[in-house]
Amino acid sequence: IAGITQAPTSQILAAGRRMTLRCTQDMRHNAMYWYRQDLGLGLRLIHYSNTAGTTGKGEVPDGYSVSRANTDDFPLTLASAVPSQTSVYFCASTREGDSEQFFGPGTRLTVL
Amino acid sequence: QKEVEQDPGPLSVPEGAIVSLNCTYSNSAFQYFMWYRQYSRKGPELLMYTYSSGNKEDGRFTAQVDKSSKYISLFIRDSQPSDSATYLCAMTPPGTYKYIFGTGTRLKVLA
Repeated sequence: IAGITQAPTSQILAAGRRMTLRCTQDMRHNAMYWYRQDLGLGLRLIHYSNTAGTTGKGEVPDGYSVSRANTDDFPLTLASAVPSQTSVYFCASTREGDSEQFFGPGTRLTVL
Repeated sequence: QKEVEQDPGPLSVPEGAIVSLNCTYSNSAFQYFMWYRQYSRKGPELLMYTYSSGNKEDGRFTAQVDKSSKYISLFIRDSQPSDSATYLCAMTPPGTYKYIFGTGTRLKVLA
């Protein structure tokens, strides 16, 4: 089934631990994005990648890193999780020349 | 001031009502305007997409853009309980993949 998958669906994590959220798309979209969604703040861009091998910082990049080794995968890493990173994380992708972003189902992360 | 402002609601309406959802923005460079629907515990999905000023209709949904006023609207006719969701506006200037999202308006359509 074409689309975006994210893993895990949810996770409870102790502060200070390292965590990688996975995102895979099979639509061969060139651009991919990571957002966090918090009540009252909406969707905020963390990092993005216009094409494999390149990444860029979004609105709230601190404490997060990404890599884009190939077209399909765009993992998001929290090197040392803090409670303020408790949020719902969405991965999205866009085809080149198109404006529609397709979203994954999200990962609900709680940092204690 | 946020680049995109959206009333968070919640907005409760009876079934069959006409719903009006709105966003204002400050960046006159925005040219692509979108409305996403997000059901509880799901990812956003694209509802409507418009480029520049004017109206676009798709079934019960109409998207309206007024660039002179920096104001966009989504109208839902004959609203149904299945329309209950959070509606997010999004916009982007040309030549960039970066979207700016509104905070979303939570809509409840009562049967």
